[in-house]
Amino acid sequence: EPEVTQTPSHQVTQMGQEVILRCVPISNHLYFYWYRQILGQKVEFLVSFYNNEISEKSEIFDDQFSVERPDGSNFTLKIRSTKLEDSAMYFCASRGGGTNQPQHFGDGTRLSIL
Amino acid sequence: QKEVEQDPGPLSVPEGAIVSLNCTYSNSAFQYFMWYRQYSRKGPELLMYTYSSGNKEDGRFTAQVDKSSKYISLFIRDSQPSDSATYLCACSSNDYKLSFGAGTTVTVRA
Repeated sequence: EPEVTQTPSHQVTQMGQEVILRCVPISNHLYFYWYRQILGQKVEFLVSFYNNEISEKSEIFDDQFSVERPDGSNFTLKIRSTKLEDSAMYFCASRGGGTNQPQHFGDGTRLSIL
Repeated sequence: QKEVEQDPGPLSVPEGAIVSLNCTYSNSAFQYFMWYRQYSRKGPELLMYTYSSGNKEDGRFTAQVDKSSKYISLFIRDSQPSDSATYLCACSSNDYKLSFGAGTTVTVRA
């Protein structure tokens, strides 16, 4: 069964450094998402992406965050200058085209900021 | 007011019992309702997906949506130890931006 893959599974970064989280969505999907889950808290929406542009973003997704689909298969989340509070699990999700299509999630990247 | 409320449990049941999980939501615009299962250090895995009100059955799993009372449920029949996980409800409107509940941790005892 096709799946969303995310790399790395765990990323440790010094505060203030840039980090790029990578995702390969399901191949025929058109809509892409990033969510995060701080330890012990709910999964929270960050951003949605369609047709090479951001569709929606939450208030969490400030100027330090950016997303890109650099080629036909990868979808990336960049955090420009990481803060301690960016430590969380980051999940990528994708959805097929048309209405009534659910989102499928990857296993996440655990980001630890030191 | 939280958009999606879910009792975090934990919930512990003996093998073979029916597991009953539920969430309430506040946003009347929600039309899509999902249940995900999440094992430790894994991503949410889609279990059930429902549009609008009604029931949906898939094997041992039944999802119910009552939009009039803003209440969604998941039932797991003949529960197995492998069903031990955290179950997340999620809702969205036409923007497909998922709002999650806190998740309920379920343990099925052998």
